[in-house]
Formats: sequence, structure tokens, C-alpha cells
Amino acid sequence: DIQLTQSPSSMSASLGDRVSLTCQSSQGIGNYLSWYQHKPGKPPKPMIYYATNLADGVPSRFSGSRSGSDYSLTISSLESEDTAIYYCLQYDEYPYTFGAGTKLELK
Amino acid sequence: EVQLVESGGGLVQPGRSLKLSCVASGFTFSNYGMNWIRQAPGKGLEWVAYISSGSSYIYYAETVKGRFTISRDNAKNTLYLQMTSLRSEDTALYYCARLRGTTRAHMDAWGQGASVTVSS
Repeated sequence: DIQLTQSPSSMSASLGDRVSLTCQSSQGIGNYLSWYQHKPGKPPKPMIYYATNLADGVPSRFSGSRSGSDYSLTISSLESEDTAIYYCLQYDEYPYTFGAGTKLELK
Repeated sequence: EVQLVESGGGLVQPGRSLKLSCVASGFTFSNYGMNWIRQAPGKGLEWVAYISSGSSYIYYAETVKGRFTISRDNAKNTLYLQMTSLRSEDTALYYCARLRGTTRAHMDAWGQGASVTVSS
């Protein structure tokens, strides 16, 4: 199975900060990686698909990028509503696998 | 508006069975593959099962293979997950999710989840 390693596991940042979360794949998955924002009591919300494409309704301060087997989710200017756990998912092949998540909090 | 509504969760004893349903609305259900995803308390997300739009292709996570059965009724716009021989480690919030695309499809819509607790 393809393993996704997310880093850091948790982080805190201040309002307005530029924040980058990373997801590394154990094998090649091309651009078949998505990011989800998960808040307590709500279902995961799609943020990015195909590594760099913004999902419907997602603010433009979010962006996705790829460098080889390393994928990043960047928030250009952190807002309070962005606090959540962020998961990456590879959908190149079944079994689909998620990273362990990055918990993003406000400092 | 795309909606997915899960039901059928509850408290069940180890070894017993439970069947989850996911009713879809706001889109042509028969055109989309579907996944079940779960999240155990305090844990991350885990893919459970996949079914293609016409039920031709079905895959399971190794953790549930042989115990869970995914199915769908396109006439009723409903996805199912039949769970048998339940174990305490199956305790989780179960989400159904729509797949956007045919192969290599990402999940673009999720239900609110159905809670399953396996305990004596």
C-alpha cells in the first residue's frame, strides 16, 4: 500500500502567517493527491484535488503544489477559521490511503 | 445541491451485524462511484470500501474484507454497507463519499456520517 507521511503532525501559527503543510508519498502517485480540511462535528471538506487544483468554494488563500513525491498545502495568510486537521489522500490506486493528518492551531 | 445522508448507525455487540445506508440527492447517483470512509475515535481517516457506478468493480480494505459488503441500488439512489462479525475496532464514524471521475477519482462530496459503536 502507498504510505503518505504528513509533517508536521501539529503546528501553531499566528493570524496572517503563511503556513505550509507537507505530505510525502512512499511511491509515485503523479498528481493524484487531494487535501481535506476536517473540523470537529463536520465531514471532511475537499480543499485541493489533483495536487494543485482548488476545490469548489475554497478561498484563494489556499494553494497546492508538488515537487517530486512531496506535496504541499499552503495558506498564504492564516485566518481563524482555518484551524482544523488537514489530511492528504492519494487516489492513484486502491486502497486509497490518507496521511495521519496535521493539526493546525492558532498561536 | 449535492446531499449524502447516512443512516443505520448505532450500538451493536461484538460479532453482530449492522447495515448502513447513504441516500444521495442533487445529482445523478448512477453516474458516480462511491466510497465508504471511517474515522475511529481519536484516529485519522481510513478508506473502507469502493463501488463503481454500475457495481461492476468493488474493493475493500484488508481490515474489513470478508466481513463488510458494499452495494448500491441506483433506482433508490442509495448506497449500502453491510457489516458483519463486528469488532470493537470497527467503532467509528462512517462517511459515504462521492467520487468525481471514473478512474483515479477524488472524493468531492461527503455525508455527515453515521456513528457505529461496537461494545458489549
